[in-house]
Amino acid sequence: EVQLVESGGGLVQPGGSLRLSCAASGFTFSSYAMSWVRQAPGKGLEWVSAISGSGGSTYYADSVKGRFTISRDNSKNTLYLQMNSLRAEDTAVYYCASGWLVHVMDVWGKGTTVTVSS
Amino acid sequence: QSVLTQPPSVSGAPGQRVTISCTGSSSNIGAGYDVHWYQQLPGTAPKLLIYGNSNRPSGVPDRFSGSKSGTSASLAITGLQAEDEADYYCQSYDSSLRGVFGTGTKVTVL
Repeated sequence: EVQLVESGGGLVQPGGSLRLSCAASGFTFSSYAMSWVRQAPGKGLEWVSAISGSGGSTYYADSVKGRFTISRDNSKNTLYLQMNSLRAEDTAVYYCASGWLVHVMDVWGKGTTVTVSS
Repeated sequence: QSVLTQPPSVSGAPGQRVTISCTGSSSNIGAGYDVHWYQQLPGTAPKLLIYGNSNRPSGVPDRFSGSKSGTSASLAITGLQAEDEADYYCQSYDSSLRGVFGTGTKVTVL
């Protein structure tokens, strides 16, 4: 069964850091692009970042560029999102998703909640 | 970053046809980039509904169809059913391969 499971969310103070993980199973992880998408409470979906299957190409939304870093470890079938200099507006459910192309999100995880508050 | 504009809500009676528009610009949809559609049922993660403008993944009923023209795209739901009540999002990207989602449309089955 194809599955994505996010972890690492929690409560963090403004200016703090957090690293999200997304464990993949049931498919050839290195053959698929991966993405992070977030959804603030009561709001719509916001694309955050994406990475190619090899990890050689990365893409970021302007709202997180320079603060967030996407990476992957294909030997561990795991995707990461390092989030630094967190702001209140980063509060959201963060979903990871996989796709056969960089911007097609075919399989989604259930999400992990990040709350930035003092 | 560019945003794709959708109507906040659409509604229809069971069995009716509803359409959701997705208006972009010359930097995303109008530049020829593909549009995908996602369905998000209450309290759940999004699900891919249409990819590459008009293609349905395996398991998606043929009641759902997508199209694209110029700087816009549309999702049509025919034979509306109660279980179609959800939020729907279009998605595309720009020349820098930055993704962009639509503002979202809530579909209500009357």
